[in-house]
Amino acid sequence: GESVGLHLPTLSVQEGDNSIINCAYSNSASDYFIWYKQESGKGPQFIIDIRSNMDKRQGQRVTVLLNKTVKHLSLQIAATQPGDSAVYFCAENSINTNAGKSTFGDGTTLTVKP
Amino acid sequence: DAGVIQSPRHEVTEMGQEVTLRCKPISGHDYLFWYRQTMMRGLELLIYFNNNVPIDDSGMPEDRFSAKMPNASFSTLKIQPSEPRDSAVYFCASSLFPGNTIYFGEGSWLTVV
Repeated sequence: GESVGLHLPTLSVQEGDNSIINCAYSNSASDYFIWYKQESGKGPQFIIDIRSNMDKRQGQRVTVLLNKTVKHLSLQIAATQPGDSAVYFCAENSINTNAGKSTFGDGTTLTVKP
Repeated sequence: DAGVIQSPRHEVTEMGQEVTLRCKPISGHDYLFWYRQTMMRGLELLIYFNNNVPIDDSGMPEDRFSAKMPNASFSTLKIQPSEPRDSAVYFCASSLFPGNTIYFGEGSWLTVV
């Protein structure tokens, strides 16, 4: 069946290093991808998104890369800070087939060591 | 602007009791979603509405769960009777239109003992 999954459940990095969180998806009809950050005790918060007509999109300290050929999505966080420690989810959406609902991956826990 | 507002934030109830979770979506958002999050199953979509009409309820676990959206600014998720396995965080979320960012509330933390 269709699924969205993360390669690694946990990631530990040193403060100041760059972080890369990966995500694989299997629905070739997906055309909109979103990264969310969930801090302990809170709901997921939007970080950055990308549509399938793009390969790369940059935000403040974050970059999302999309490789449609291998159905792979990544989130890069530059100069990782302790406040970046959280669970990160990728989500995929297909406007035409899912009418707006998103499918979420399992999440990667990012721990930033001071 | 206020985000998605959920209540209660925390609830502890006894097995067999009725639980009602409430949600106020972001004003102007046409889509409302109910998700459940557990360690074992992650984030699961239970049901979502478009313009107050349920579109897809295939994620609703069983008949004990029901959701309503009587108007554009209010939705409820009801569990009756509740069971210990219903213990989870229930998130309400809303979005402006298909393919747009989904904004989550802070969640309702439910414990059924």
